[in-house]
Amino acid sequence: QSVLTQPPSVSGAPGQRVTISCTGSSSTTGAGSDVHWYQQLPRTAPKLLIYANVDRPSGVPDRFFASKSDTSASLTITGLQAEDEADYYCQSYDNNLRGWVFGGGTKVTVL
Amino acid sequence: EVVLVESGGGLVQPGGSLRLSCAASGFTFSTYAMSWVRQAPGKGLEWVSAAGGSGASKYYIDSVRGRFAVSRDNSKNTLYLQMTSLTVEDTAIYYCAKGRGASYSRAYFDCWGQGILVTVSS
Repeated sequence: QSVLTQPPSVSGAPGQRVTISCTGSSSTTGAGSDVHWYQQLPRTAPKLLIYANVDRPSGVPDRFFASKSDTSASLTITGLQAEDEADYYCQSYDNNLRGWVFGGGTKVTVL
Repeated sequence: EVVLVESGGGLVQPGGSLRLSCAASGFTFSTYAMSWVRQAPGKGLEWVSAAGGSGASKYYIDSVRGRFAVSRDNSKNTLYLQMTSLTVEDTAIYYCAKGRGASYSRAYFDCWGQGILVTVSS
């Protein structure tokens, strides 16, 4: 069981909007640790999608945006495209474990 | 362009050892913390170990502490993971990842290698 909780899957039709939640605790997101998001396309390495809760690296489309509030965070994809079909992971730091932790991952399916 | 290339994976018997390497290029290697992140077949990502820029600071997940040792040779721009007493639960793709962030609580992984498969099986 992951320290950060994500829904196993979400789906949407092309052009729709989907949101993935990431729920932490008082030792992770609630302790002020930043949340970051990664996209993993099938059979490839993860890629940084969002860092420092809300910032996008250059090259990431503005269809991807994120937010954080107290112990939870969310990633929203607007204008869903077939190429967005992937696994998405949130990541933070756990003060109790003294290490970095990932959510269990959310599979996004484009219908 | 940042490039990270892992090597050293393969098939090993339970109880055996293996050393992974990660050759880095395209950035000032000694300036950045580096991590190993693994992914068991069909499972999610799990951070395993990290080394600070100088190599003096080292961090491990509890399940590998005492069995795995992270190190780096900044003169060769290479990160290592020495794995001993391997168990079937260590079977995974191991990724090398470059760290960013001003503190532990802000740290993230901005570049990843392609990964190397480690299979522990008799």
